[in-house]
Amino acid sequence: DVQMTQSPSNLAASPGESVSINCKASKSISKYLAWYQQKPGKANKLLIYSGSTLQSGTPSRFSGSGSGTDFTLTIRNLEPEDFGLYYCQQHNEYPFTFGSGTKLEIK
Amino acid sequence: EVQLVESGGGLVQPGRSLKLSCAASGFTFSNYYMAWVRQAPKKGLEWVATISTSGSRTYYPDSVKGRFTISRDNAKSSLYLQMNSLKSEDTATYYCARHPHSSYVFDYWGQGVMVTVSS
Repeated sequence: DVQMTQSPSNLAASPGESVSINCKASKSISKYLAWYQQKPGKANKLLIYSGSTLQSGTPSRFSGSGSGTDFTLTIRNLEPEDFGLYYCQQHNEYPFTFGSGTKLEIK
Repeated sequence: EVQLVESGGGLVQPGRSLKLSCAASGFTFSNYYMAWVRQAPKKGLEWVATISTSGSRTYYPDSVKGRFTISRDNAKSSLYLQMNSLKSEDTATYYCARHPHSSYVFDYWGQGVMVTVSS
């Protein structure tokens, strides 16, 4: 199975700042990495897939980069609604596996 | 509007069975692969099962293979997860999710249903 190592586990930032979340796969997954946002009381939201393709409705302040084993989610000009949990997921092969999550909090 | 609504969760004893359901609306259910994903309390997400459009192909991780069965009824736009020989480690919120065409991401999720396995 492909192990996904996500870092950092916790991140604190202020509105208007930029942050980056990293995800490392235990073997090459080509470009097939997705990012999700999870917030209490709301359905999980797909933000980015195939490494850098924004899902319809994802604001342009979100961007994804990387290929092979190393990927990054960057959020520029943080908005209050961006705070929550973020997960990466490899969608290259079965079994699909997720990172352990990053909690983005308001500083 | 795509909606996925899970039901059937609850408290069940170890070794017993439980069947979850997911009612889908707002899209042509029969055209999409569907999946279940779970999340143990205070833990991360874990993919549990995927089923093809016709139901002829199913996929599971080793952690549930042989115990869980995913199925669907396209006439009813419904997805199911039959869980047998439940263990305490199966305690989690179970989410119904949709795979978009030709992709193994999850583009729509339900709100989830809680399953607690305890004596």
